[in-house]
Amino acid sequence: EAGVAQSPRYKIIEKRQSVAFWCNPISGHATLYWYQQILGQGPKLLIQFQNNGVVDDSQLPKDRFSAERLKGVDSTLKIQPAKLEDSAVYLCASSLGPGRTFGSGTRLTVV
Amino acid sequence: GNSVTQMEGPVTLSEEAFLTINCTYTATGYPSLFWYVQYPGEGLQLLLKATKADDKGSNKGFEATYRKETTSFHLEKGSVQVSDSAVYFCALSDSAGGTSYGKLTFGQGTILTVHP
Repeated sequence: EAGVAQSPRYKIIEKRQSVAFWCNPISGHATLYWYQQILGQGPKLLIQFQNNGVVDDSQLPKDRFSAERLKGVDSTLKIQPAKLEDSAVYLCASSLGPGRTFGSGTRLTVV
Repeated sequence: GNSVTQMEGPVTLSEEAFLTINCTYTATGYPSLFWYVQYPGEGLQLLLKATKADDKGSNKGFEATYRKETTSFHLEKGSVQVSDSAVYFCALSDSAGGTSYGKLTFGQGTILTVHP
């Protein structure tokens, strides 16, 4: 079974620019998660989708972050405008039942 | 709210040494507990889990026992290998039974380096 695919692997942008990350979950997985992992910290949930509906976005900074999961499959996470403190690894995960499968992440550096 | 605290790292060991990484948690109700591992350049992988008090999770020689009385879930391995070098995360889910729909709260991670 193919894993969770994420792109790009790395991204460097200047502050105030915009950036988008893409995630393709495992086929058939209804639940999709986006996490932010700042260096030296554990992952923090940003948003959780069940099919194409949002289950939990309580920790998503909605003034600059947005996410969508059209058709309940692929998902994109966008940051506009980026700040220095957004530098982190952005992890996507998906699940069908117990447990989550994580992608390798996108490492974002904001300079 | 829920929280997870891991022992501060990094941890450096020689091959075949005994490993313990401490993890304590704060939660209401009866959370499920997990250990995830992140190898260099890869995503997080579930290493083991325990869904109720006194359960022992085990995988690849690693073990952890869910201790409700001490709110702990310490990770142990009797003889580490170089290939065990990775970052280890303790986590809890506020959904009893270990389902995927509970919110996962992670500790800060512990870097383990094993030398030959």
